[in-house]
Amino acid sequence: LAKTTQPISMDSYEGQEVNITCSHNNIATNDYITWYQQFPSQGPRFIIQGYKTKVTNEVASLFIPADRKSSTLSLPRVSLSDTAVYYCLVGEAGGFKTIFGAGTRLFVKA
Amino acid sequence: GAVVSQHPSRVICKSGTSVKIECRSLDFQATTMFWYRQFPKQSLMLMATSNEGSKATYEQGVEKDKFLINHASLTLSTLTVTSAHPEDSSFYICSATPSDTEAFFGQGTRLTVV
Repeated sequence: LAKTTQPISMDSYEGQEVNITCSHNNIATNDYITWYQQFPSQGPRFIIQGYKTKVTNEVASLFIPADRKSSTLSLPRVSLSDTAVYYCLVGEAGGFKTIFGAGTRLFVKA
Repeated sequence: GAVVSQHPSRVICKSGTSVKIECRSLDFQATTMFWYRQFPKQSLMLMATSNEGSKATYEQGVEKDKFLINHASLTLSTLTVTSAHPEDSSFYICSATPSDTEAFFGQGTRLTVV
């Protein structure tokens, strides 16, 4: 399983765009990149998943360079409610054993 | 998206007793479910893989006789913490994946052993 490395914490202000980068140098050909958000005392919640290039949904964008050794989660115009821990995970889609790294603790200030 | 439900959401038990936590996939079948434990300010730690109709696979360092897992149907896995002690107090989370999509997580169970 590919190991991931993320910044431990980040601070931002409301309305700003936040980019969180994750390194996964040992990503395998069949691996997807998935990001989750977790609030205190809740289970992780799916944000976005991608394999290569760029993926966008209603809450975030995911940028993946051609070598796939890193990925960047982009949260547009964050609000106070986006304060949470964000996890980057790498693995095969569908039933793969999900190993969590330390995650990035994002704190959004007013 | 798919729904995974855990019950109870929080439980307090006396030291030495056993506690059962249920994980259900509400709108899909899951031959495999995963159980995690999370201590305060830490990441989720994978404990075991629950396999429908067969024995669970435990991660290194996790006592299988302490954490009993039963996956008797395609929609239900249970984790029983036997002879619980205060150090077992933690946040327990399960997950399941409907076919080739992302994993869905339960809301978690806060276990406090007093």
